[in-house]
Amino acid sequence: KAGVTQTPRYLIKTRGQQVTLSCSPISGHRSVSWYQQTPGQGLQFLFEYFSETQRNKGNFPGRFSGRQFSNSRSEMNVSTLELGDSALYLCASSLGGAGASNQPQHFGDGTRLSIL
Amino acid sequence: AQKITQTQPGMFVQEKEAVTLDCTYDTSDPSYGLFWYKQPSSGEMIFLIYQGSYDQQNATEGRYSLNFQKARKSANLVISASQLGDSAMYFCAMREGGKLIFGQGTELSVKP
Repeated sequence: KAGVTQTPRYLIKTRGQQVTLSCSPISGHRSVSWYQQTPGQGLQFLFEYFSETQRNKGNFPGRFSGRQFSNSRSEMNVSTLELGDSALYLCASSLGGAGASNQPQHFGDGTRLSIL
Repeated sequence: AQKITQTQPGMFVQEKEAVTLDCTYDTSDPSYGLFWYKQPSSGEMIFLIYQGSYDQQNATEGRYSLNFQKARKSANLVISASQLGDSAMYFCAMREGGKLIFGQGTELSVKP
């Protein structure tokens, strides 16, 4: 069974640009969550999508947005990039639905975004 | 609000010995789940073990086991027979709806 796939693995952008990251969940998983990991702030939750609807949102500015498609694949977009957006962005999938609190989230390898 | 605390920024263990990584949590929910993840230097987060608040027994998965003490609100990870490949960051986490709340992590180094 294929795991969570994130593309690209590495990305270099400059301030002011925008970027789109992609995440393909494990087959059958309908919930996709995104996290930002930095040395200073640790792992912070960005948002969660379930059945194409944003179900939860973390405390990030509106420059961070996402969406989920009917096949459960998800994309995350960051506009007007800032130096502080440099981070490892992790996507995680789980079955979702009833009993979700007992389900582990399975993570992809992440996308390392560097802003110059 | 839920909170996870890992008080050991770094730990060293000799190869083949056991090591305990500490995790305490705070929640007012009677039903909750606790998770441990391993993150090697390459970056991927690997799910290790899960403990539910109503589970009667401590969770075990191969060389990983959880020392779950509900009254003390602690869920310590025990790694037996440490291997060099166990060197990594270890995160304790709690599920809150669709998101995981993570602790600060513990960096484990296994010495040959």
